[in-house]
Amino acid sequence: RKEVEQDPGPFNVPEGATVAFNCTYSNSASQSFFWYRQDCRKEPKLLMSVYSSGNEDGRFTAQLNRASQYISLLIRDSKLSDSATYLCVVIPVTGNQFYFGTGTSLTVIP
Amino acid sequence: DAGITQSPRYKITETGRQVTLMCHQTWSHSYMFWYRQDLGHGLRLIYYSAAADITDKGEVPDGYVVSRSKTENFPLTLESATRSQTSVYFCASSHGGSGNTIYFGEGSWLTVV
Repeated sequence: RKEVEQDPGPFNVPEGATVAFNCTYSNSASQSFFWYRQDCRKEPKLLMSVYSSGNEDGRFTAQLNRASQYISLLIRDSKLSDSATYLCVVIPVTGNQFYFGTGTSLTVIP
Repeated sequence: DAGITQSPRYKITETGRQVTLMCHQTWSHSYMFWYRQDLGHGLRLIYYSAAADITDKGEVPDGYVVSRSKTENFPLTLESATRSQTSVYFCASSHGGSGNTIYFGEGSWLTVV
């Protein structure tokens, strides 16, 4: 079983829409969680951390559900510039490996 | 802030040739990683290193060799390149420990013909 499972999409949404991605993880002892953004032919870059209590950064909201072992990313008021692939990352308590989801592709349409 | 740099950025090589991809980081991060990314597979860990002279296999290590004689460098060598190793390779680094994020280089695009 994969450490991290992520719906690959693609998600095609109109500008201004709200879109949500989920990511499930298999190791209940996982310690840290992040969302990364990857543009076409570029390296992944940190979008935001995911805290137990949930956290917001502008139009982006990240949430963690430990009981069901998933993390989510909500994007409100989608912009054309949000078009990218979003990767979830899970780190075990040992902190020595990073488990990446395969990424969810988002295209925001004018 | 140079961060993490990879070279070459683009490389075309022939089957059977040895190829080395270089990775250099200026943050003194303990951990360094090599990933390959292919359509349908996402990022797959090849090798990682927790410190100088310490390396461990990842998910797909076969056909690759790494070394880490200095904290800042983590070269990846394809001993005898095969077409299946055509991919984009990302080097990354981290302080390590839970809560620490990982930072990627810009990637090395390798084509084996």
